[in-house]
Amino acid sequence: DAKTTQPPSMDCAEGRAANLPCNHSTISGNEYVYWYRQIHSQGPQYIIHGLKNNETNEMASLIITEDRKSSTLILPHATLRDTAVYYCIVRVVGGGADGLTFGKGTHLIIQP
Amino acid sequence: DAGVIQSPRHEVTEMGQEVTLRCKPISGHNSLFWYRQTMMRGLELLIYFNNNVPIDDSGMPEDRFSAKMPNASFSTLKIQPSEPRDSAVYFCASSHRVKGTEAFFGQGTRLTVV
Repeated sequence: DAKTTQPPSMDCAEGRAANLPCNHSTISGNEYVYWYRQIHSQGPQYIIHGLKNNETNEMASLIITEDRKSSTLILPHATLRDTAVYYCIVRVVGGGADGLTFGKGTHLIIQP
Repeated sequence: DAGVIQSPRHEVTEMGQEVTLRCKPISGHNSLFWYRQTMMRGLELLIYFNNNVPIDDSGMPEDRFSAKMPNASFSTLKIQPSEPRDSAVYFCASSHRVKGTEAFFGQGTRLTVV
């Protein structure tokens, strides 16, 4: 799986949009971009994934650049409960059976 | 569904003792994963199963670690003998190999070896 680079930490004010960047310059054509988050003392939680088109669900939006070398996870209206470590992971299409490789992620802190 | 269920939630044991961690995956999922999380090394994949068969155990740190999946609804991770450096949070996750591409994680077992 391709390697990802994320900032170690970010702050965001409550109610604002949180934009979390991820670089994956070596991504292959058949690799998806996945985002998970881990709230303190809990197991990781799936957020969203995409291949090349922008994606949106009830939790977040995922913006992938045209060259697919980077992406941004957007939490439109951050709340205190969004404070967590966010992991950006790239993996092969149909890799539901293969384990996820977690990096260090971004520790997002939502400030009241 | 109750999600992935792990037991116990906390385990404290003495060095040299055998430790068994348990996991019940989500019904209908046919892939199961064991992870370990420490401050130093982050989240590491230890082993994963497809249809109850171990596929990749290259992440298992040493022979003291073993994992089994006797049926689709139960898996164990055993450490024998345990050592203080095994102290960590151990997570189990499951997914559906064909239908789903997301993995669902349990709440983890916090293991402390003294």
